[in-house]
Amino acid sequence: QQQVKQSPQSLIVQKGGISIINCAYENTAFDYFPWYQQFPGKGPALLIAIRPDVSEKKEGRFTISFNKSAKQFSLHIMDSQPGDSATYFCAASLRGNQFYFGTGTSLTVIP
Amino acid sequence: DAGVIQSPRHEVTEMGQEVTLRCKPISGHDYLFWYRQTMMRGLELLIYFNNNVPIDDSGMPEDRFSAKMPNASFSTLKIQPSEPRDSAVYFCASSSVGQGSYNEQFFGPGTRLTVL
Repeated sequence: QQQVKQSPQSLIVQKGGISIINCAYENTAFDYFPWYQQFPGKGPALLIAIRPDVSEKKEGRFTISFNKSAKQFSLHIMDSQPGDSATYFCAASLRGNQFYFGTGTSLTVIP
Repeated sequence: DAGVIQSPRHEVTEMGQEVTLRCKPISGHDYLFWYRQTMMRGLELLIYFNNNVPIDDSGMPEDRFSAKMPNASFSTLKIQPSEPRDSAVYFCASSSVGQGSYNEQFFGPGTRLTVL
């Protein structure tokens, strides 16, 4: 059973556009929601994370929006650049230890 | 800091052979995780250790899979016998949890396993 559902599976965005990736979860006990970025041939790396006590977190061009009542959270990439082309994983965590990852979104930003 | 080190980076073997994947976590980290990544299932947690002790191995797919952590700086994931459906990229990650904090998992570069 997939603990975290992620969509879309792939996304193509024009340079300068906004990329939006969505995730949903069921377990209300999750208390930490990170996003990981993975480039080809590399391991995933933490991009940005949020706790459920805030509705939004922004770091540069990357923003997490969190809707606790809907049990959904999303990653917004503003002014998307070709260098942002990668696979993005959302995740949810219980007590900061075990992570449940989404299935990933392959983002391609075309010049 | 060298980060999480995995070896080998690529492994090609024939069905039925034993495969051993190795991981050296970041020094000082007390959690170690093994993941498997496939196109169909994404990133799956196989097993994780805390202070060298296995905490949850419910993700290990079959008895053919086993993992050990004999000390704080080394872990192995063994598949015996290997099957073509085991072909995937296997990641090791480590983390350190502070009091009341949320831990970042640091991933290694992965081992791409191909079983023919």
